[in-house]
Amino acid sequence: ETGVTQSPTHLIKTRGQQVTLRCSSQSGHNTVSWYQQALGQGPQFIFQYYREEENGRGNFPPRFSGLQFPNYSSELNVNALELDDSALYLCASSSRDGNTEAFFGQGTRLTVV
Amino acid sequence: AQSVTQLGSHVSVSEGALVLLRCNYSSSVPPYLFWYVQYPNQGLQLLLKYTSAATLVKGINGFEAEFKKSETSFHLTKPSAHMSDAAEYFCAVSENFGNEKLTFGTGTRLTIIP
Repeated sequence: ETGVTQSPTHLIKTRGQQVTLRCSSQSGHNTVSWYQQALGQGPQFIFQYYREEENGRGNFPPRFSGLQFPNYSSELNVNALELDDSALYLCASSSRDGNTEAFFGQGTRLTVV
Repeated sequence: AQSVTQLGSHVSVSEGALVLLRCNYSSSVPPYLFWYVQYPNQGLQLLLKYTSAATLVKGINGFEAEFKKSETSFHLTKPSAHMSDAAEYFCAVSENFGNEKLTFGTGTRLTIIP
């Protein structure tokens, strides 16, 4: 167990809808990164938040957005869902200041129909 | 830009045999390198990491990896495979440590033959 929790574990959405995924970071960690893992692929970096500010973004469109809260938990929002958004979404927390590696949550499996 | 190439999307070894999973990286700066394991319907678990200290890195579950700058490689090995090692393995590279933005390979599925 890493102490990084994600919710929900599974969900099904319809194309065009919006979805919010949540991540609670490990105690003492102030950096949260989100990854998308399509079936049979390696995870792809979406974006990272450090102290409530976006700190880097991968090659994902603006309909992927995020937030980090004062307690360092985070949300990933996806608007106008497309079928290709179906994937496992992974959250990773780390401590930039404490210089620790990232610990991953169990992920949220999103299916878009 | 950074990238990782994992040679062999599927590897099968007999129980008790040597496990060798290959990873080559490309990075314009000294890299931080990681191996993760993923069991079905699970998140990623860190096996080991290279952060510019010793080139031979020992991790959990008997795995180790050697950083070879001249070959731009970071292959994962285990002397004797166990049935519980069956999983998907990912090699990843980052320019940072502590706030790493990981670039992953496509993964290698390890099957253990009884």
